[in-house]
Amino acid sequence: DQQVKQNSPSLSVQEGRISILNCDYTNSMFDYFLWYKKYPAEGPTFLISISSIKDKNEDGRFTVFLNKSAKHLSLHIVPSQPGDSAVYFCAASERTSYDKVIFGPGTSLSVIP
Amino acid sequence: DVKVTQSSRYLVKRTGEKVFLECVQDMDHENMFWYRQDPGLGLRLIYFSYDVKMKEKGDIPEGYSVSREKKERFSLILESASTNQTSMYLCASRGGWGQDSWEQYFGPGTRLTVT
Repeated sequence: DQQVKQNSPSLSVQEGRISILNCDYTNSMFDYFLWYKKYPAEGPTFLISISSIKDKNEDGRFTVFLNKSAKHLSLHIVPSQPGDSAVYFCAASERTSYDKVIFGPGTSLSVIP
Repeated sequence: DVKVTQSSRYLVKRTGEKVFLECVQDMDHENMFWYRQDPGLGLRLIYFSYDVKMKEKGDIPEGYSVSREKKERFSLILESASTNQTSMYLCASRGGWGQDSWEQYFGPGTRLTVT
């Protein structure tokens, strides 16, 4: 059973609008969360992270929100750009085993010009 | 910039062959990882290593082994390749300890097909 879920395999958004990618997790011991972006034929690259002691972390156009009670996090991209078109992986880890990062299945984002 | 390189981008092997996937990183990172990526399953950890000659099993180690003889190099070995090992294999490295260094740097991946 997947501990990190991304229930939307794909998402299409108009350029300039907001993209919202969602992620749910089941393990209440997770305390660190990351988002990675992956272009075709390339390895994933780190995008943004958030610790469980926070509920929001912002980096430029990217903001991650964490709702611990709902075991839910989301990545907001504002404004969306065509270069943001990629697969986005949500990932989570426990403090006691931070080398075992659990990845979600990914959401493919298409930003339409 | 951290650079993680993988020996092959595409590889085709026959069932029963022994397969070596090589990964090299140039940032003196202590920790290295092997994942496989399959549609609908995301990235799953096969093995990781936190030091030379040290290894730890990930979530799906069955059918795989690893070798880390030098700090910069981490090899994934399929002793007897099977068709269910057809996948994208990704190597990653990470330096340091603690939350500030949780970011992993990935190589471009090796697409392995076992026929």
